[in-house]
Amino acid sequence: GENVEQHPSTLSVQEGDSAVIKCTYSDSASNYFPWYKQELGKGPQLIIDIRSNVGEKKDQRIAVTLNKTAKHFSLHITETQPEDSAVYFCAASKSGGSNYKLTFGKGTLLTVNP
Amino acid sequence: NAGVTQTPKFRVLKTGQSMTLLCAQDMNHEYMYWYRQDPGMGLRLIHYSVGEGTTAKGEVPDGYNVSRLKKQNFLLGLESAAPSQTSVYFCASNLAGGQYEQYFGPGTRLTVT
Repeated sequence: GENVEQHPSTLSVQEGDSAVIKCTYSDSASNYFPWYKQELGKGPQLIIDIRSNVGEKKDQRIAVTLNKTAKHFSLHITETQPEDSAVYFCAASKSGGSNYKLTFGKGTLLTVNP
Repeated sequence: NAGVTQTPKFRVLKTGQSMTLLCAQDMNHEYMYWYRQDPGMGLRLIHYSVGEGTTAKGEVPDGYNVSRLKKQNFLLGLESAAPSQTSVYFCASNLAGGQYEQYFGPGTRLTVT
């Protein structure tokens, strides 16, 4: 089955700096790659996603890039703010017979220091 | 529109006791999921349902049972709780499977002593 590796497990940045979180996946058939943000004491919430027919997607200060050849994708947060502090999860899924599920990475705890 | 709700929010059980976690969604979603979250382990799928009356096993189903008698509700049961089941449990739902946004509930923190 699919395996998603996520790095780093913890990341600390100064307010205003950029943060990058990287994920690799094993199943070349995967074609949907969402990112979820989990604030303390809450459930995860989708912040951005990308499908395999595009290489990059942006939404204000966040962007995701996808390299299908290398089977990796990354989350980029620019001009970080204290409210960006959270756990971030990447995930992967594929269409077709086993399309019920997402496979999640183990998460990255991002701390933005004021 | 409450989204996905979970009850209870917290629970402490003794080893061997049983309990049921309730998940409810008001978005008319077909798919519902139960995950457990443990430190350093990410989100692991316990069971899922692709529609009313259906259930299936995920990655870590042992020790749990589920039922989906109504489309809006997904119940997770622990028949004989073990300390290894101490975790935070999240329910999620979505329209139609892994290619769509999943909406998560606020979680249930369960401690088994």
